[in-house]
Amino acid sequence: AAGVIQSPRHLIKEKRETATLKCYPIPRHDTVYWYQQGPGQDPQFLISFYEKMQSDKGSIPDRFSAQQFSDYHSELNMSSLELGDSALYFCASSSGLAAYNEQFFGPGTRLTVL
Amino acid sequence: AQTVTQSQPEMSVQEAETVTLSCTYDTSESDYYLFWYKQPPSRQMILVIRQEAYKQQNATENRFSVNFQKAAKSFSLKISDSQLGDAAMYFCAYSGGGADGLTFGKGTHLIIQP
Repeated sequence: AAGVIQSPRHLIKEKRETATLKCYPIPRHDTVYWYQQGPGQDPQFLISFYEKMQSDKGSIPDRFSAQQFSDYHSELNMSSLELGDSALYFCASSSGLAAYNEQFFGPGTRLTVL
Repeated sequence: AQTVTQSQPEMSVQEAETVTLSCTYDTSESDYYLFWYKQPPSRQMILVIRQEAYKQQNATENRFSVNFQKAAKSFSLKISDSQLGDAAMYFCAYSGGGADGLTFGKGTHLIIQP
């Protein structure tokens, strides 16, 4: 079965640079979520989109922005990168806004900021 | 805001034995969803089991079962007949449903002794 695709899988950036992470949800899934997991930490919810509209917002820094496109893929844009942004970034997808929707996680993008 | 607490940073169990991981949460909502996710060394997030708060019956999935005590806001995971492949970080998570992001606990590192 098709899974959530994230690209790139690994990314190395310098401080103050920008980065763009991409997420391709499971076919026919219309909801996308972004999470950040620092070393030895639990995943922290950043933001979610349903049908290309922002749905829920978590602890996303102002330096970060995200959007969901017409084909349902999503991009997380990160500017003025800081050392503390080094983390594993997960994208998850689900289908619809039913009371319960299982979130299927992608393999993550490992971002290293030097 | 909802919070999820896992009070056991690490647990160890002999192969084939049973282990219980604890989780408590705090919410003012009456309808919500609880999950246990497994994160092996590959860092992939894998859903183990879920529980809808409006269901009194405890969820079971093969060797995995939960003890959901809504009044006590407790949601523990029992793993029966532990196997080496069960070794991982286990995260308890809360969701209000829809496109809400997941709120995770700090995780419990489960070690399986051969």
